[in-house]
Amino acid sequence: ETGVTQSPTHLIKTRGQQVTLRCSSQSGHNTVSWYQQALGQGPQFIFQYYREEENGRGNFPPRFSGLQFPNYSSELNVNALELDDSALYLCASRPDRAADTQYFGPGTRLTVL
Amino acid sequence: DQQVKQNSPSLSVQEGRISILNCDYTNSMFDYFLWYKKYPAEGPTFLISISSIKDKNEDGRFTVFLNKSAKHLSLHIVPSQPGDSAVYFCAAPDRTGANNLFFGTGTRLTVIP
Repeated sequence: ETGVTQSPTHLIKTRGQQVTLRCSSQSGHNTVSWYQQALGQGPQFIFQYYREEENGRGNFPPRFSGLQFPNYSSELNVNALELDDSALYLCASRPDRAADTQYFGPGTRLTVL
Repeated sequence: DQQVKQNSPSLSVQEGRISILNCDYTNSMFDYFLWYKKYPAEGPTFLISISSIKDKNEDGRFTVFLNKSAKHLSLHIVPSQPGDSAVYFCAAPDRTGANNLFFGTGTRLTVIP
């Protein structure tokens, strides 16, 4: 059983650009969540996908969007990047929405200049 | 509003001694709590959890205590080992939302050999 993987590891963008981050969930996990971890903070919930549909969202603007695919992969897209978007982006998967334990990938470090 | 709080950003402990990491919460509806450990360049990994119907859960060197009346939980590591040096997060699932996790801001534990 493979764990959760994310790509790329690091990314540098400039303000106003768009970025796509990718995640591959553990096989059989139909629920994936994305979190943003700013420096010195705990992870903050962005949104969650269950069976390819968004079914929960945190306090993030619409320029944060996502997709989930049938092959257990998912994407986080951020448009019109702002300096404050610089953070570690984590995806986490779990077998279903009711499961409490989430399994995290190593994250993508995004720097916006 | 931070619903899960970790007020100690850092803690240093001698190898072999006990490490006690603390966490407070404000939402009395939380019914489950998790501790995650995070090494640099890795995602958070699940460590131990506790249901609100219990006041203690033990797993090897790790024990979590829950005091519901005080809305406080603590993680005890005995004996502490240098490999335990990491950032520790406590978290609670949001039952009113997508069952996503609310995280504290983390405590950096350093175990001194």
